Amino acid sequence: GESVGLHLPTLSVQEGDNSIINCAYSNSASDYFIWYKQESGKGPQFIIDIRSNMDKRQGQRVTVLLNKTVKHLSLQIAATQPGDSAVYFCAENTDTGANSKLTFGKGITLSVRP
Amino acid sequence: NAGVTQTPKFQVLKTGQSMTLQCAQDMNHEYMSWYRQDPGMGLRLIHYSVGAGITDQGEVPNGYNVSRSTTEDFPLRLLSAAPSQTSVYFCASSYSPLGSQFFGPGTRLTVL
Repeated sequence: GESVGLHLPTLSVQEGDNSIINCAYSNSASDYFIWYKQESGKGPQFIIDIRSNMDKRQGQRVTVLLNKTVKHLSLQIAATQPGDSAVYFCAENTDTGANSKLTFGKGITLSVRP
Repeated sequence: NAGVTQTPKFQVLKTGQSMTLQCAQDMNHEYMSWYRQDPGMGLRLIHYSVGAGITDQGEVPNGYNVSRSTTEDFPLRLLSAAPSQTSVYFCASSYSPLGSQFFGPGTRLTVL
């Protein structure tokens, strides 16, 4: 069946370095992808999204890359800060009209070393 | 705007008890959904609604009921709580099913 997963359960980076969080998806029909950040004790927070007609989208300090050929999604965080420490989820959505739903990956923990 | 609010923040139930988790949003979003989050697993969709009066099942609907009488509110009911329902529950809303969802702060439920 379809699944969204992440390659690594944890990622530790030095403050100031760039972080790259990877995600694989299996449903080739997925056409919308979102990255969420979840801090301890809080609900997931939207970071950035990308549609399948794009391969790159940039936000403030974050970039999402989409490679549809290998069904791979990545989130790049520039100049990682302690406040970036959190669990990051990728999610995919397949457009089936009113019944479209998000499927979430298991999450990866980003730990920023001072 | 308060965004998405959930009550209670914490709840302990005994097996067999019933309760309702409340969710409200003030953004006039049509689409609302309930997820549960368990350790080591991502968010799993329980039920969702595309508008007032319309609900449908998600990935893990068993043991849960929902209703959507207004655009703002989307309560989740546990009719007979079981230890397997111990989890953190998140409510979310968005303009459309394809839009980025806004999540509430969650309800941590323990069933003994």
